[in-house]
Amino acid sequence: NAGVTQTPKFQVLKTGQSMTLQCAQDMNHEYMSWYRQDPGMGLRLIHYSVGAGITDQGEVPNGYNVSRSTTEDFPLRLLLAAPSQTSVYFCASSYLQGRGTGELFFGEGSRLTVL
Amino acid sequence: AQTVTQSQPEMSVQEAETVTLSCTYDTSESDYYLFWYKQPPSRQMILVIRQEAYKQQNATENRFSVNFQKAAKSFSLKISDSQLGDAAMYFCAYRRDLPAGNKLTFGGGTRVLVKP
Repeated sequence: NAGVTQTPKFQVLKTGQSMTLQCAQDMNHEYMSWYRQDPGMGLRLIHYSVGAGITDQGEVPNGYNVSRSTTEDFPLRLLLAAPSQTSVYFCASSYLQGRGTGELFFGEGSRLTVL
Repeated sequence: AQTVTQSQPEMSVQEAETVTLSCTYDTSESDYYLFWYKQPPSRQMILVIRQEAYKQQNATENRFSVNFQKAAKSFSLKISDSQLGDAAMYFCAYRRDLPAGNKLTFGGGTRVLVKP
């Protein structure tokens, strides 16, 4: 009963380093997305995907890269980490509209600190 | 672009009493969905309740109910008989209907404190 799995849960980076946040879901959801959560700003969409090989930008895509080679996995890459990317990151998935309730299922979040 | 506003950064309620959280949104669409998510200290995002814009009847889930005012673009959440476990951040969220996919736009959140 895994649902949406994110790794790592915590990470500290130095400015300029790169890293990948992993996200996997086992519910056969077509839609996957990445959000960042900052105090007082709710969750903001970074990138999303509606199926393997298809990705698109959300509200705050700069500094992040994604790919979707399989239905299950949707990694988020930070190529040159900056202190402004210090945040909590959530991966979320769902069926596309027309199937299910449209509810987004969230991972447990990953806290990233960039020094 | 759609925006969602939660004007109350923090609300406090006595255990067993009722608290109402406000949410307003801006959209030119007629078909959409609204959600309330709960985020306890564990950080997990949990769906509390959802409302389809085409439905006039307000959604209810046990002690949670909404007051959906489509013309006013208002979507408030009422928590009745508050329990200590209700203490959390609550986020209001909006999603357009097809063909925009499942992108959710969130409000800034309201922290609910429950006093024993």
